[in-house]
Amino acid sequence: SYVLTQPPSVSVAPGKTAMITCGGTNFGTKSVSWYQQKPGQAPVLVIYFDSDRPSGIPDRFSGSISGTTATLTISRVEAGDEADYYCQEWNSDTDLYVFGTGTTVTVL
Amino acid sequence: QVQLQGSGPRLVKPSQTLSLTCNVSMSGGRYHWSWIRQPAGKGLEWIGRFHASGDTNLNPSLKSRVTMFGDTSKNQFFLNLRSVTAADTAVYYCVSRNGDPSFFDFWGQGILVTVSS
Repeated sequence: SYVLTQPPSVSVAPGKTAMITCGGTNFGTKSVSWYQQKPGQAPVLVIYFDSDRPSGIPDRFSGSISGTTATLTISRVEAGDEADYYCQEWNSDTDLYVFGTGTTVTVL
Repeated sequence: QVQLQGSGPRLVKPSQTLSLTCNVSMSGGRYHWSWIRQPAGKGLEWIGRFHASGDTNLNPSLKSRVTMFGDTSKNQFFLNLRSVTAADTAVYYCVSRNGDPSFFDFWGQGILVTVSS
């Protein structure tokens, strides 16, 4: 079945930039969102509409799309950013949702 | 701020039906509610979505076993998953969205449901 492919893990030093990729088919007609999930907690929306941030999410979090790859960028990484991150696609043609395989971000 | 509280049996026997209820603090014509699950140590899987209009949309991989419906007068929506196996053991989240359906902005705390005899 169709999946969005993410790297299993990304390690980053505090203050540096983490980039998490999400590979799928052409995202042109689809909308991508990103979620942060800390252990034992429900996911939290950090990016929607490919690159918009909900209120309360720091501007250190940004999203972008290029062809078949969506990217979540976390700038000036902090210890509190350590979590699992999932991309999610909504296809407006099929009205179906798919999640990425998830990436664990470790802050060194 | 929408609040969601899921409830239901935490233990279900194989081949039986998993039934969950989500109580939501707000409802209305533009609300969508979804169920999303997550097996321990694994990723997220969208199960299906219920709209306040009564429309439902289900994950094709689960569609044959899932019924999803709601009662907006009581601010509740429901999930039934039939013929469960151990592979259905997961944390089940009820999730809501008001407006554009492309993402999920309010999540319940999650319910761990175990399928075991």
